[in-house]
Amino acid sequence: DAGITQSPRHKVTETGTPVTLRCHQTENHRYMYWYRQDPGHGLRLIHYSYGVKDTDKGEVSDGYSVSRSKTEDFLLTLESATSSQTSVYFCAISDSGATNEKLFFGSGTQLSVL
Amino acid sequence: LAKTTQPISMDSYEGQEVNITCSHNNIATNDYITWYQQFPSQGPRFIIQGYKTKVTNEVASLFIPADRKSSTLSLPRVSLSDTAVYYCLVGPLDTGGFKTIFGAGTRLFVKA
Repeated sequence: DAGITQSPRHKVTETGTPVTLRCHQTENHRYMYWYRQDPGHGLRLIHYSYGVKDTDKGEVSDGYSVSRSKTEDFLLTLESATSSQTSVYFCAISDSGATNEKLFFGSGTQLSVL
Repeated sequence: LAKTTQPISMDSYEGQEVNITCSHNNIATNDYITWYQQFPSQGPRFIIQGYKTKVTNEVASLFIPADRKSSTLSLPRVSLSDTAVYYCLVGPLDTGGFKTIFGAGTRLFVKA
């Protein structure tokens, strides 16, 4: 399995608090992604990165920010968490960033915003 | 990206062959077909990818007819551990897209 670690695995927080989720990879892949998964919506892309300090928005980026200061780490921050951000968050990596290229996923972070 | 349609759910029994069909009528010439598998509480996992005819690996086979407007993922002799959601994705392998789109997938439930 690809070396992808997400932390924390579970998080419960209150509305209005900041939350940071971490994705760490040991594959030296250039591209990293954050998805959220909700019932009835499948997986939706939040933000992605195509290199250190190079990031861009996905289809559901409002309320989220990301940072990538090292190849191996991609952080997702909810500046002020809302109940609508309760979800399972998955980090993924790929080597070339091609649209339909093989993605490797982490095990996910279950976030509950109360 | 081509829109895909696949059954919402399927049931099977251990030892049976399972075929999950995905429709993609608007597939483009440079599109590939990719299938992922997702177990509960885990991220999706790549299963197989193909462009035309048949592709086989240690996990599954992928059948793509000549018109490429549909594809069928075949799982031989399923076991209880094959219970998962299976996603069909269609898109090009060109760079810069970053738009791999996962739909709702097909929930396969394997019974004893």
